[in-house]
Amino acid sequence: AQSVAQPEDQVNVAEGNPLTVKCTYSVSGNPYLFWYVQYPNRGLQFLLKYITGDNLVKGSYGFEAEFNKSQTSFHLKKPSALVSDSALYFCAVRDGSDSSYKLIFGSGTRLLVRP
Amino acid sequence: GAVVSQHPSRVICKSGTSVKIECRSLDFQATTMFWYRQFPKQSLMLMATSNEGSKATYEQGVEKDKFLINHASLTLSTLTVTSAHPEDSSFYICSAKTSGGNTQETQYFGPGTRLLVL
Repeated sequence: AQSVAQPEDQVNVAEGNPLTVKCTYSVSGNPYLFWYVQYPNRGLQFLLKYITGDNLVKGSYGFEAEFNKSQTSFHLKKPSALVSDSALYFCAVRDGSDSSYKLIFGSGTRLLVRP
Repeated sequence: GAVVSQHPSRVICKSGTSVKIECRSLDFQATTMFWYRQFPKQSLMLMATSNEGSKATYEQGVEKDKFLINHASLTLSTLTVTSAHPEDSSFYICSAKTSGGNTQETQYFGPGTRLLVL
């Protein structure tokens, strides 16, 4: 069975500091990994994905994530946080061999960036 | 590119009535759309997968007669909550999957519809 764990309910960081939002996953086949961001009362915005290729993936708004197969992790990072980055972040995984294309979402991590 | 819209963004209805929510892919064709439900401060729960021209596939525990899904074209899927009750109040989000190119595999989400059943 597929699963995603986001161990932190909330991450607090000061503006200008680097941020990390953690994600670990479990799939039986090849992992396809995604990060989405959700602002209040809005849908999810796609940030980045890892399907294959370079383990370091760069996405929207200066975010990046590193696929680590041995640690089954896909942590989201940004070198310098902005107050406007404050939002709810979801990690998602799909088994690449699953033709249903269903995504399994983590529980979400709320990022709070202090001015 | 890859914009998904939902209508309405917010709806309030009386218990026992039916509500239809539309999900449209504005600049791409979506052979597959997904319907999610999100409770406050919780993650997204997949309700069903909608494939154009065929019956939707519902997740375990989701009543297909209560949540009617129609995917009549490559750009439109609808979710109808029939005989709505207060416990159906929630935030409903759709997503659409592109069918090719370098955006393949990515689900793009609509802005969501907040349903309140009185």
